[in-house]
Amino acid sequence: DQQVKQNSPSLSVQEGRISILNCDYTNSMFDYFLWYKKYPAEGPTFLISISSIKDKNEDGRFTVFLNKSAKHLSLHIVPSQPGDSAVYFCAASFGNQFYFGTGTSLTVIP
Amino acid sequence: NAGVTQTPKFRVLKTGQSMTLLCAQDMNHEYMYWYRQDPGMGLRLIHYSVGEGTTAKGEVPDGYNVSRLKKQNFLLGLESAAPSQTSVYFCASTLAGGGYNEQFFGPGTRLTVL
Repeated sequence: DQQVKQNSPSLSVQEGRISILNCDYTNSMFDYFLWYKKYPAEGPTFLISISSIKDKNEDGRFTVFLNKSAKHLSLHIVPSQPGDSAVYFCAASFGNQFYFGTGTSLTVIP
Repeated sequence: NAGVTQTPKFRVLKTGQSMTLLCAQDMNHEYMYWYRQDPGMGLRLIHYSVGEGTTAKGEVPDGYNVSRLKKQNFLLGLESAAPSQTSVYFCASTLAGGGYNEQFFGPGTRLTVL
């Protein structure tokens, strides 16, 4: 059973606009949440993370929001750039294990 | 500083054959992980290691074995390959445990089992 879900397989956004990627989880024991970015034929690369005791974390154009009561997190990219086009994976950790979502393919249109 | 490397990049096996995938990292990381990525399934943890000489099962360990004889290497073995093991395999490492430690991934190994 999938503990981390990304219900939108794809998203298209105009350059300069905001991209919002969503993620839901079921296990309330998760203590960290992470976002990874993946280009074709490469491994995922870390983007940003958030502790379960926080509700927001920012790093440049990337902001992650966590809503524990709804078991929901989102990644905001502002402004979106064509180089942001990639597959984004949401992940959650508990203990030594990580659980990944199925990914959302983001296309930023110039 | 190569980061995390994986050998081989591609491999085709016949059902019942065996093979070993090699992961190497040069960052002196304690923790190493093996994942598989399948369409519509995301990345799923197969096995992981919290240090040299240790291994532990992840979410989908059946049909795989691992060894961590040296800190920098983590081997994933398939003793008798099955078509269900056709997948892209990713290795990752972290400095230490805990979700706040960034995972560094290798480029992946694409395995096809006929």
